[in-house]
Parts: sequence; structure tokens; C-alpha cells
Amino acid sequence: GEDVEQSLFLSVREGDSSVINCTYTDSSSTYLYWYKQEPGAGLQLLTYIFSNMDMKQDQRLTVLLNKKDKHLSLRIADTQTGDSAIYFCAAPATGFQKLVFGTGTRLLVSP
Amino acid sequence: GAVVSQHPSRVICKSGTSVKIECRSLDFQATTMFWYRQFPKQSLMLMATSNEGSKATYEQGVEKDKFLINHASLTLSTLTVTSAHPEDSSFYICSARDLKQGHTEAFFGQGTRLTVV
Repeated sequence: GEDVEQSLFLSVREGDSSVINCTYTDSSSTYLYWYKQEPGAGLQLLTYIFSNMDMKQDQRLTVLLNKKDKHLSLRIADTQTGDSAIYFCAAPATGFQKLVFGTGTRLLVSP
Repeated sequence: GAVVSQHPSRVICKSGTSVKIECRSLDFQATTMFWYRQFPKQSLMLMATSNEGSKATYEQGVEKDKFLINHASLTLSTLTVTSAHPEDSSFYICSARDLKQGHTEAFFGQGTRLTVV
């Protein structure tokens, strides 16, 4: 089945760019997702990318997909303190009904 | 995006009692809803997939008699934690898919913090 891995922690200064990385195992994944979770809250969908795309940009967010290496990244430009949260990448499991989540990357943005 | 409302956001109950958590899709029909459990500083663990009008599909290791799921309509799924114990204390999150979107995007509720004392 699908397995999704992420680094656990990232610390950046306000105004810098943040890059959060994710690897997955199922090459048939059609869509890949990035979610944000703030403390004590549910998950908020940030963006997604279709598997036939290499890059998607949405305001400060840029998603890069390397299908050959099964590597997904989320770049946040001009990172703000309000971006501090846990970021999860997710990929559909076989059959596409359910999503498999990575371990989550805790982003800490310092002033 | 679509809205999923989860209620209550926080509940404290005594050991041995049952607690019901509701998950509603407010502006779309969700034939499939998912229930997750999240331990502190950990990822989401899928507990079960709830399909409208049929029995839920439970993940390995999840007791179906303890975590009762009902998906009676296209906009409502409920999770009932029966005979709750302190080890059931956790953050429970539901999500639902909007099939009209044409892909597997899932929207999440706000989560329910369950504390069993």
C-alpha cells in the first residue's frame, strides 16, 4: 500500500522561504495534497497537484512534483509567523477512496 | 471549498459512558466519510471509512463494536465511542469527499477533543 514520509521539523526565520519535503511510494497516485493543521484544529487543504503536472503555484505556495523520484515538495515564500503549523502531505491509497497521510512536518517560524 | 462541520469540538466524559461525535457536510453530499484519530504530535490514523447506507469499513486493529459508525444520510456520519476508557482520550477528526469535484479531495472537520476521566 501507499506509504508517505516527511521530515518531522523545520525552523525558519520570518521572511525566509520554507521548503517541506515528502516522499511517497505508489506511482499510480493521481493527486497529491498538502494540508495545514494549526494547534487543536482540523486539517485545512492548502493545495493539491495532479500527477501530470510538475509544478503548481498558488500565491505564496509552490508545489513541485518529481514523479520519477516520487518526491513532492511545498515551498512557502516569505514565510510568516502565522504559517507556523504542522503540514501534512497526503496521497490516495489504492482504490482512491482514502488518503494516506505523512507523519507531518512541524514548521516553526521565528520573528 | 466545501465545509465539514464536526460537533462537539471538545467533550469530557466519565469512564464507562458513551460519547457521540457528529460530522456533517454542510454544502455538499458526501457518500463517503472518514474517521481519523490523532495522538499528540503524531499523524492521523484512519479508523474507518463510512459509506452512506452501508456498513463502515474498519481499519485493522480498530474495534468496530467500540467505535460505532453510522452514516444514515448523505450529509451526516456519527462516531460513537462506547464504554469509553481513559485510553480512548484523543483528538478525533472526520473528513468527507465531495464527489462532484471529480477527484479525491477531502475536506476536514474541526476535530473533537475527547477526554475520558
